[in-house]
Amino acid sequence: DAGITQSPRHKVTETGTPVTLRCHQTENHRYMYWYRQDPGHGLRLIHYSYGVKDTDKGEVSDGYSVSRSKTEDFLLTLESATSSQTSVYFCAISEQANTEAFFGQGTRLTVV
Amino acid sequence: ILNVEQSPQSLHVQEGDSTNFTCSFPSSNFYALHWYRWETAKSPEALFVMTLNGDEKKKGRISATLNTKEGYSYLYIKGSQPEDSATYLCAFLRGSQGNLIFGKGTKLSVKP
Repeated sequence: DAGITQSPRHKVTETGTPVTLRCHQTENHRYMYWYRQDPGHGLRLIHYSYGVKDTDKGEVSDGYSVSRSKTEDFLLTLESATSSQTSVYFCAISEQANTEAFFGQGTRLTVV
Repeated sequence: ILNVEQSPQSLHVQEGDSTNFTCSFPSSNFYALHWYRWETAKSPEALFVMTLNGDEKKKGRISATLNTKEGYSYLYIKGSQPEDSATYLCAFLRGSQGNLIFGKGTKLSVKP
């Protein structure tokens, strides 16, 4: 299995609080991604990174920010959590953009 | 087509049947087309990544073809088995920096 770890695995938080999810990899892959999974929507890209400090917005980036200060870590921050951000969040990594992506185990976030 | 579309949404087949799914994607700014298999309660796992028009890939009973000029890819499963039951996702790489957009998937159920 690719060395990719998401933390926390489960979190319940209150509306309006900031939340940070962490994706850590030991593969030294250049590309990292954050997706959210919702019923009827499949996987939707939130943000992605193509190198240290190089990030870009995906399909559903509003309300989210990311940071990548080192190769192994990609942080996703919900600046002020809302109930619509209740979801399962998946991190993925890939060596190149056109090579297979490896997924983490997911983080289930509930905003109450 | 502006997004990635997959059809059918779901498919129920008998063990031994052969089946195929379609992924449609924008024909412009193409860099790669990915296929993933996603079992319930697990994370998506890569099947194929295709980059060239006319590419054909095969892994056991599963194969895929790619037509970048018309913007579609087919995934074929020969002699479906119950363990093939999963959601099959395709993903379109828009540009070279990692903008990897997923379709909503085709959910396959194979009855013994």
